[in-house]
Amino acid sequence: SQQGEEDPQALSIQEGENATMNCSYKTSINNLQWYRQNSGRGLVHLILIRSNEREKHSGRLRVTLDTSKKSSSLLITASRAADTASYFCATAVSGGGADGLTFGKGTHLIIQP
Amino acid sequence: DADVTQTPRNRITKTGKRIMLECSQTKGHDRMYWYRQDPGLGLRLIYYSFDVKDINKGEISDGYSVSRQAQAKFSLSLESAIPNQTALYFCATSDPIAGVNEQFFGPGTRLTVL
Repeated sequence: SQQGEEDPQALSIQEGENATMNCSYKTSINNLQWYRQNSGRGLVHLILIRSNEREKHSGRLRVTLDTSKKSSSLLITASRAADTASYFCATAVSGGGADGLTFGKGTHLIIQP
Repeated sequence: DADVTQTPRNRITKTGKRIMLECSQTKGHDRMYWYRQDPGLGLRLIYYSFDVKDINKGEISDGYSVSRQAQAKFSLSLESAIPNQTALYFCATSDPIAGVNEQFFGPGTRLTVL
Protein backbone atom coordinates (compact mmCIF):
# COMPACT_ATOMS: atom_id res chain seq x y z
CA SER A 1 0.00 0.00 0.00
CA GLN A 2 1.13 3.56 -0.57
CA GLN A 3 2.81 5.18 2.41
CA GLY A 4 2.73 8.68 1.01
CA GLU A 5 -0.11 10.46 -0.71
CA GLU A 6 0.43 13.74 -2.53
CA ASP A 7 -2.16 16.43 -2.85
CA PRO A 8 -3.25 17.79 -5.24
CA GLN A 9 -2.91 15.18 -7.97
CA ALA A 10 -2.50 17.94 -10.54
CA LEU A 11 -1.69 21.62 -10.28
CA SER A 12 -1.55 24.27 -12.99
CA ILE A 13 -0.23 27.76 -12.25
CA GLN A 14 1.20 30.74 -14.06
CA GLU A 15 4.92 31.23 -14.40
CA GLY A 16 6.25 33.29 -11.54
CA GLU A 17 3.66 32.09 -9.04
CA ASN A 18 4.44 29.82 -6.11
CA ALA A 19 3.48 26.15 -6.18
CA THR A 20 2.65 24.18 -3.05
CA MET A 21 2.28 20.42 -2.90
CA ASN A 22 1.41 18.37 0.13
CA CYS A 23 2.23 14.84 1.21
CA SER A 24 0.64 12.76 3.93
CA TYR A 25 2.01 9.50 5.24
CA LYS A 26 0.91 6.78 7.61
CA THR A 27 3.73 5.42 9.75
CA SER A 28 6.67 6.83 11.68
CA ILE A 29 9.51 7.86 9.43
CA ASN A 30 13.25 8.31 9.53
CA ASN A 31 13.22 10.91 6.81
CA LEU A 32 11.07 12.20 3.97
CA GLN A 33 12.35 13.02 0.52
CA TRP A 34 10.98 14.84 -2.51
CA TYR A 35 11.79 13.80 -6.05
CA ARG A 36 11.04 15.32 -9.44
CA GLN A 37 10.28 13.36 -12.59
CA ASN A 38 10.23 14.91 -16.01
CA SER A 39 7.93 13.12 -18.43
CA GLY A 40 8.97 9.48 -18.89
CA ARG A 41 12.36 9.98 -17.28
CA GLY A 42 14.01 8.82 -14.09
CA LEU A 43 13.40 10.49 -10.77
CA VAL A 44 15.78 13.12 -9.50
CA HIS A 45 16.29 13.75 -5.81
CA LEU A 46 15.41 17.30 -4.76
CA ILE A 47 15.58 17.55 -1.01
CA LEU A 48 15.51 15.46 2.14
CA ILE A 49 14.17 16.38 5.54
CA ARG A 50 14.86 14.29 8.62
CA SER A 51 12.22 13.42 11.17
CA ASN A 52 13.77 15.80 13.73
CA GLU A 53 13.71 18.77 11.33
CA ARG A 54 10.73 21.05 10.74
CA GLU A 55 11.81 23.10 7.74
CA LYS A 56 14.50 22.99 5.12
CA HIS A 57 15.47 25.19 2.19
CA SER A 58 17.32 24.55 -1.04
CA GLY A 59 17.35 27.33 -3.61
CA ARG A 60 13.72 27.99 -4.59
CA LEU A 61 12.52 24.95 -2.68
CA ARG A 62 11.16 24.96 0.83
CA VAL A 63 10.09 21.79 2.59
CA THR A 64 8.24 21.55 5.87
CA LEU A 65 7.56 18.50 7.97
CA ASP A 66 4.95 18.06 10.68
CA THR A 67 5.45 14.65 12.27
CA SER A 68 2.46 15.11 14.57
CA LYS A 69 0.20 15.38 11.53
CA LYS A 70 2.29 13.01 9.45
CA SER A 71 2.48 15.52 6.65
CA SER A 72 4.96 17.46 4.57
CA SER A 73 4.73 20.27 2.06
CA LEU A 74 6.95 21.30 -0.83
CA LEU A 75 6.91 24.94 -1.89
CA ILE A 76 8.48 26.03 -5.16
CA THR A 77 8.80 29.78 -5.31
CA ALA A 78 8.90 31.94 -8.43
CA SER A 79 8.00 29.00 -10.66
CA ARG A 80 9.50 28.58 -14.12
CA ALA A 81 8.39 26.64 -17.18
CA ALA A 82 11.21 24.17 -16.51
CA ASP A 83 9.56 23.25 -13.19
CA THR A 84 6.83 21.46 -15.13
CA ALA A 85 7.13 17.86 -13.94
CA SER A 86 5.68 15.32 -11.55
CA TYR A 87 6.73 15.58 -7.93
CA PHE A 88 6.81 12.63 -5.55
CA CYS A 89 7.31 12.38 -1.85
CA ALA A 90 9.06 9.29 -0.55
CA THR A 91 9.42 8.06 2.98
CA ALA A 92 12.02 5.95 4.70
CA VAL A 93 10.32 4.30 7.63
CA SER A 94 11.76 4.28 11.12
CA GLY A 95 13.72 1.18 11.99
CA GLY A 96 13.94 0.34 8.33
CA GLY A 97 15.23 2.37 5.45
CA ALA A 98 16.62 -0.92 4.34
CA ASP A 99 13.82 -1.91 2.06
CA GLY A 100 13.85 1.06 -0.23
CA LEU A 101 11.69 4.12 -0.17
CA THR A 102 7.92 4.17 -0.33
CA PHE A 103 6.63 6.63 -2.91
CA GLY A 104 3.37 8.48 -3.21
CA LYS A 105 1.41 8.74 -6.44
CA GLY A 106 2.75 12.16 -7.28
CA THR A 107 1.57 15.66 -8.08
CA HIS A 108 1.70 16.67 -11.72
CA LEU A 109 2.70 20.34 -11.89
CA ILE A 110 2.20 22.40 -15.02
CA ILE A 111 3.66 25.89 -15.25
CA GLN A 112 1.83 28.01 -17.80
CA PRO A 113 4.04 30.56 -19.60
CA ASP B 1 28.47 9.42 -18.67
CA ALA B 2 25.37 8.54 -16.72
CA ASP B 3 25.97 7.05 -13.28
CA VAL B 4 23.06 4.60 -13.52
CA THR B 5 22.26 3.09 -16.88
CA GLN B 6 19.52 0.74 -17.98
CA THR B 7 19.21 -1.44 -21.05
CA PRO B 8 17.13 -1.69 -23.09
CA ARG B 9 15.36 1.68 -22.92
CA ASN B 10 12.33 0.36 -24.72
CA ARG B 11 11.12 -3.19 -25.29
CA ILE B 12 8.03 -4.71 -26.83
CA THR B 13 7.49 -8.40 -26.27
CA LYS B 14 4.78 -11.00 -26.36
CA THR B 15 2.99 -12.84 -23.60
CA GLY B 16 4.97 -15.81 -22.33
CA LYS B 17 8.39 -14.56 -23.41
CA ARG B 18 11.32 -14.31 -21.02
CA ILE B 19 12.67 -10.80 -20.64
CA MET B 20 15.74 -9.46 -18.87
CA LEU B 21 16.24 -5.83 -17.97
CA GLU B 22 19.74 -4.78 -17.02
CA CYS B 23 21.06 -2.09 -14.76
CA SER B 24 24.64 -0.92 -14.33
CA GLN B 25 26.05 1.74 -12.06
CA THR B 26 29.36 3.50 -11.70
CA LYS B 27 28.58 5.14 -8.37
CA GLY B 28 30.15 2.38 -6.32
CA HIS B 29 26.99 1.96 -4.28
CA ASP B 30 26.26 -1.30 -2.53
CA ARG B 31 22.47 -0.96 -2.54
CA MET B 32 20.43 -1.38 -5.69
CA TYR B 33 16.70 -1.44 -6.29
CA TRP B 34 14.14 -2.24 -8.97
CA TYR B 35 10.84 -0.33 -9.13
CA ARG B 36 7.96 -0.31 -11.53
CA GLN B 37 5.82 2.70 -12.30
CA ASP B 38 2.27 2.54 -13.55
CA PRO B 39 0.17 5.58 -14.46
CA GLY B 40 -1.43 7.06 -11.37
CA LEU B 41 0.23 4.57 -9.01
CA GLY B 42 3.63 6.05 -8.31
CA LEU B 43 6.60 3.71 -7.92
CA ARG B 44 6.41 0.32 -6.30
CA LEU B 45 9.40 -1.68 -5.11
CA ILE B 46 9.97 -5.06 -6.79
CA TYR B 47 13.32 -6.24 -5.37
CA TYR B 48 16.31 -4.75 -3.61
CA SER B 49 19.85 -5.85 -2.90
CA PHE B 50 22.30 -4.70 -0.25
CA ASP B 51 25.24 -6.46 -1.82
CA VAL B 52 26.04 -9.34 -4.15
CA LYS B 53 24.95 -11.94 -1.64
CA ASP B 54 21.88 -10.16 -0.32
CA ILE B 55 18.64 -10.14 -2.31
CA ASN B 56 15.27 -9.18 -0.86
CA LYS B 57 11.72 -9.12 -2.12
CA GLY B 58 9.86 -5.86 -2.27
CA GLU B 59 6.19 -5.05 -2.33
CA ILE B 60 5.39 -6.68 -5.70
CA SER B 61 7.95 -9.42 -6.41
CA ASP B 62 5.57 -12.05 -7.81
CA GLY B 63 6.35 -12.80 -11.45
CA TYR B 64 9.83 -11.30 -11.22
CA SER B 65 13.31 -12.51 -10.33
CA VAL B 66 16.63 -10.71 -9.99
CA SER B 67 20.33 -11.40 -10.19
CA ARG B 68 23.13 -9.34 -8.65
CA GLN B 69 26.07 -10.34 -10.80
CA ALA B 70 28.46 -7.82 -9.29
CA GLN B 71 28.33 -4.72 -7.16
CA ALA B 72 27.75 -2.68 -10.30
CA LYS B 73 25.12 -4.87 -11.97
CA PHE B 74 21.58 -5.79 -11.01
CA SER B 75 19.28 -7.52 -13.50
CA LEU B 76 15.53 -7.97 -13.41
CA SER B 77 13.91 -10.91 -15.19
CA LEU B 78 10.36 -11.65 -16.17
CA GLU B 79 10.32 -15.41 -16.67
CA SER B 80 7.04 -15.45 -18.54
CA ALA B 81 5.82 -11.96 -19.34
CA ILE B 82 2.16 -11.07 -19.07
CA PRO B 83 0.32 -7.94 -20.26
CA ASN B 84 -0.18 -6.49 -16.77
CA GLN B 85 3.60 -6.27 -16.47
CA THR B 86 3.50 -3.50 -19.05
CA ALA B 87 5.03 -0.58 -17.18
CA LEU B 88 7.99 1.73 -16.80
CA TYR B 89 10.79 0.05 -14.86
CA PHE B 90 13.42 1.93 -12.91
CA CYS B 91 16.66 0.85 -11.33
CA ALA B 92 18.06 2.88 -8.45
CA THR B 93 21.10 2.86 -6.20
CA SER B 94 21.88 4.26 -2.78
CA ASP B 95 24.71 4.47 -0.32
CA PRO B 96 23.09 5.25 3.00
CA ILE B 97 25.12 7.33 5.37
CA ALA B 98 23.76 7.92 8.83
CA GLY B 99 20.35 6.64 7.84
CA VAL B 100 20.01 8.87 4.77
CA ASN B 101 18.62 6.80 1.92
CA GLU B 102 18.77 9.20 -1.03
CA GLN B 103 18.36 7.19 -4.20
CA PHE B 104 19.81 7.72 -7.66
CA PHE B 105 17.67 6.56 -10.56
CA GLY B 106 18.40 5.26 -14.00
CA PRO B 107 16.52 6.61 -17.04
CA GLY B 108 14.00 3.78 -17.05
CA THR B 109 12.96 0.95 -19.36
CA ARG B 110 9.56 1.12 -21.00
CA LEU B 111 8.27 -2.43 -21.33
CA THR B 112 5.20 -3.37 -23.33
CA VAL B 113 3.85 -6.91 -23.17
CA LEU B 114 1.37 -7.72 -25.92
